[in-house]
Amino acid sequence: TQLLEQSPQFLSIQEGENLTVYCNSSSVFSSLQWYRQEPGEGPVLLVTVVTGGEVKKLKRLTFQFGDARKDSSLHITAAQPGDTGLYLCAGENSGTYKYIFGTGTRLKVLA
Amino acid sequence: GAVVSQHPSWVICKSGTSVKIECRSLDFQATTMFWYRQFPKQSLMLMATSNEGSKATYEQGVEKDKFLINHASLTLSTLTVTSAHPEDSSFYICSALPLSTGRDGYTFGSGTRLTVV
Repeated sequence: TQLLEQSPQFLSIQEGENLTVYCNSSSVFSSLQWYRQEPGEGPVLLVTVVTGGEVKKLKRLTFQFGDARKDSSLHITAAQPGDTGLYLCAGENSGTYKYIFGTGTRLKVLA
Repeated sequence: GAVVSQHPSWVICKSGTSVKIECRSLDFQATTMFWYRQFPKQSLMLMATSNEGSKATYEQGVEKDKFLINHASLTLSTLTVTSAHPEDSSFYICSALPLSTGRDGYTFGSGTRLTVV
């Protein structure tokens, strides 16, 4: 069974601080995605990374896929209250387009 | 952008009854849709892969006779929770991948909150 562990589970920070969320597994994934989910809604796709070592930027968010395609990180610079939400990584099972979700990181950014 | 509509957004049903949840891609076609469930404060758990015109593929531990999936067209998949019990209460979410895009096109519905009383 493929497991994706995210750390930390919870994070509460002040506006303007930086943070990093980690997504780790012992399995190799053909691609990895990051999502943000608001309460009572479905997740919204932020990024897809495919190549080992790949780095993608989305405004203040930086995503990195590990060289071995087993792990990933999400770095947020100068966090804002609007960044508050549940962040989920999801790894693709061997090119099947089927994604297994990580355990989640609940972020709260205080004004 | 791609939109996936789920209906209903919430439903309350009596124990022992069945509930049908619809997942519809509004402006694109999808041969494959996925069904997830999410318990409070937890992550999403993949239940099954819904394939247009063929039987769904269920994840280990998911009862296919209890969670019936039908994907009769390229824009509609339905999940029916049969003989629902309180432990089936959860947030059910579907996702779809447009035929014309790669992995970046994954779109989730807004979810259905099921409460069984």
